[in-house]
Amino acid sequence: NAGVTQTPKFRILKIGQSMTLQCTQDMNHNYMYWYRQDPGMGLKLIYYSVGAGITDKGEVPNGYNVSRSTTEDFPLRLELAAPSQTSVYFCASSPAEAQETQYFGPGTRLLVL
Amino acid sequence: GEDVEQSLFLSVREGDSSVINCTYTDSSSTYLYWYKQEPGAGLQLLTYIFSNMDMKQDQRLTVLLNKKDKHLSLRIADTQTGDSAIYFCAERRETGRRALTFGSGTRLQVQP
Repeated sequence: NAGVTQTPKFRILKIGQSMTLQCTQDMNHNYMYWYRQDPGMGLKLIYYSVGAGITDKGEVPNGYNVSRSTTEDFPLRLELAAPSQTSVYFCASSPAEAQETQYFGPGTRLLVL
Repeated sequence: GEDVEQSLFLSVREGDSSVINCTYTDSSSTYLYWYKQEPGAGLQLLTYIFSNMDMKQDQRLTVLLNKKDKHLSLRIADTQTGDSAIYFCAERRETGRRALTFGSGTRLQVQP
């Protein structure tokens, strides 16, 4: 069982470039999330989705976009990369049941120069 | 300030007990979690506690919850060098998104 997978593991971008961070889960979870983790900090919520076709902003959405066309996939798009977006990005998913926690992917490390 | 606060660093000797503390501010939080993050890795769920409980034990891990003071602690008995990692406390509020709010993490260093 793969759980939550993320690609790529690491990427270097130049300022102004764009890229898509991929996230896939095979657990049929309704809820999916994108977080970023800056050095020495906890995770901050970027965007989340409660099901296919439904997305909403989290705490730090500026500079990012998401889509949720299927239950399995929740890609995160950076349109104009900025140095402030240098971070580690984690995707997570959880089922609809209230007591369940979130399951995290291994993360994507992004460096914007 | 942070909604969830943790001390930044804790150092213990192998075999001792470790206690990592966390305070949170939202009294509506229903679930509180402890995650472990090893260097270069993702977050691994260690344990969680429901807000109507005051203690939960799972092998070497004991979670204590003081809901009145909004204080959560994680005790690791017989701490091993493999326990060296960053430990995150997180709360989940019962809003539509059910997202987690994380503390900034406590780095646990276990000395042989």
